[in-house]
Amino acid sequence: DVKVTQSSRYLVKRTGEKVFLECVQDMDHENMFWYRQDPGLGLRLIYFSYDVKMKEKGDIPEGYSVSREKKERFSLILESASTNQTSMYLCASSSPRGKHPSYEQYFGPGTRLTVT
Amino acid sequence: EDQVTQSPEALRLQEGESSSLNCSYTVSGLRGLFWYRQDPGKGPEFLFTLYSAGEEKEKERLKATLTKKESFLHITAPKPEDSATYLCAVHYGGSQGNLIFGKGTKLSVKP
Repeated sequence: DVKVTQSSRYLVKRTGEKVFLECVQDMDHENMFWYRQDPGLGLRLIYFSYDVKMKEKGDIPEGYSVSREKKERFSLILESASTNQTSMYLCASSSPRGKHPSYEQYFGPGTRLTVT
Repeated sequence: EDQVTQSPEALRLQEGESSSLNCSYTVSGLRGLFWYRQDPGKGPEFLFTLYSAGEEKEKERLKATLTKKESFLHITAPKPEDSATYLCAVHYGGSQGNLIFGKGTKLSVKP
């Protein structure tokens, strides 16, 4: 089974702090993703990475950065946390299989971040 | 504008009462449509991938179907443990980042 783990289930930070969220997958997947999930807004893509050191912006990258130094690890960084970044953060990974050009994503358990 | 819309937002069923959830989409170049189940406080759990109109997938009491404009998740004789939010996601275009999630349907099954 694919396993995606996230460093914390719950996190409380103060406004202005630098926050690191870590994600590790154990299935040698090429693609990794960071989403945030908010009531009424659904899942929104922040950043994704398709290879080590490669990244692309998603729909809402402002206020975030990412790092992928190893294939299995993808970090999300909040440079200066703000209250509007209080949310559930979900990491996912995927990898091409077979002939299809689209691959399902496997999600971690999520980190509920509260910024006060 | 590319969109994915799920309906209804919430659905309450009695145990054994079959029904369907809908996911309609307007995107260019569909590459795959995914169904996920999400329990409260947890990450989404992958259920099905559908690639082309006419395709169907089944797993236990769930059956997913796909047309050119929408997908249905049919739930046959649901049980209380099927209670969850069901998410639909559509991958379109060339980039793996071109993935739009619907807002989900919250299903409650009462015994």
